[in-house]
Amino acid sequence: EVQLLESGGGLVQPGGSLRLSCAASGFTFSSYAMSWVRQAPGKGLEWVSTISGSGGSTYYADSVKGRSTISRDNSKNTLYLQMNSLRAEDTAVYYCAKVPLVFQGPEPDYWGQGTLVTVSS
Amino acid sequence: EIVLTQSPATLSLSPGERATLSCRASQSVSSYLAWYQQKPGQAPRLLIYDASNRATGIPARFSGSGSGTDFTLTISSLEPEDFAVYYCQQRSNWPITFGQGTRLQIK
Repeated sequence: EVQLLESGGGLVQPGGSLRLSCAASGFTFSSYAMSWVRQAPGKGLEWVSTISGSGGSTYYADSVKGRSTISRDNSKNTLYLQMNSLRAEDTAVYYCAKVPLVFQGPEPDYWGQGTLVTVSS
Repeated sequence: EIVLTQSPATLSLSPGERATLSCRASQSVSSYLAWYQQKPGQAPRLLIYDASNRATGIPARFSGSGSGTDFTLTISSLEPEDFAVYYCQQRSNWPITFGQGTRLQIK
């Protein structure tokens, strides 16, 4: 059974930092580019960042570029998102997912259940 | 950035009726468009990829069509479990973008 289990969310003050993790199991993690997608409360989906299967290529939305770093450890089957200089508008549920990409087909479709990040003083 | 505009924002229908949801792209995405379903408290689920291909395990009542800038998701006969929010997503160009969603609610 495929599982993506996010952790690391929580309440953080504006300007603070968080590191999200996503532990993957049930599939060959290193074979796929993985992404973070977020959803602000009551809002739609927003792509945040993607990393290639090898970790050699990374991509960021303008909204987080320069403040966030995506990485992965294929030996631990784990995806990370380091977020710095957090703002109120970063408040969202963050999903770890394998989503359709420019260079990667849509199937299989994998999503975690999400971890909530709340940025507030 | 490719902007995806979904319409209508909200669609109110009854079980058994046909639902037609639209997604329009600000520039051509060829056929690289996917549709997702999201229910409250759940992660999105892929329904349709590359405009017209049903994802694994998706019932035949879901179908997709279109290419270039205009796309449609059709649910031929609504089941109670189909009432949810639907998003389109393009993978033609970076950044990956999603539409703002269509809420399909029970009339």
